[in-house]
Amino acid sequence: KQEVTQIPAALSVPEGENLVLNCSFTDSAIYNLQWFRQDPGKGLTSLLLIQSSQREQTSGRLNASLDKSSGRSTLYIAASQPGDSATYLCAGPTDSWGKLQFGAGTQVVVTP
Amino acid sequence: EAGVTQFPSHSVIEKGQTVTLRCDPISGHDNLYWYRRVMGKEIKFLLHFVKESKQDESGMPNNRFLAERTGGTYSTLKVQPAELEDSGVYFCASSQEGGWYEQFFGPGTRLTVL
Repeated sequence: KQEVTQIPAALSVPEGENLVLNCSFTDSAIYNLQWFRQDPGKGLTSLLLIQSSQREQTSGRLNASLDKSSGRSTLYIAASQPGDSATYLCAGPTDSWGKLQFGAGTQVVVTP
Repeated sequence: EAGVTQFPSHSVIEKGQTVTLRCDPISGHDNLYWYRRVMGKEIKFLLHFVKESKQDESGMPNNRFLAERTGGTYSTLKVQPAELEDSGVYFCASSQEGGWYEQFFGPGTRLTVL
């Protein structure tokens, strides 16, 4: 059974600093790993999807890596901005049909 | 292209009443998923449709929950009768294919049972 853990639960950084968010999973036979952003009272916005055959994926200031052997994925956000303040979640499918197992999320605050 | 939409955005009902949540997936997406987050807990899977068929409903809490997907388009999730512990945010997501593809989430429906 796939289990997903995110540490830390909360993070506060000054504007301009790089953010590093961690996600651990137990089943290395993961199909893919998806990173989401959730703003208070809003839905989930998909940020990046890394397929199992990939090592990393990039979109603008965001870069996500995937290391299946160690069961870890890391989301890097370069030069953080106050607008990056949100909760970031990672999730991986537990089967080939896409049933996602979510981590508890990391709440990020970027101070001006 | 329109995203996943959900209706209503909020619903407040009393224990014992019935509530129906609706989800409209992205056009052309055969896969539709329902998830739920209850207070202080992680987002949990409820069920998965492929077109109009239920592929997996292993996450449905009990038989008070009934999901349908008429004609493989929109889906409804009915809770009857609602209990206090059903309160939470219900999310719907859709994807083109199954596990290899990105899931796109709707804004969620916040259900409060009093």
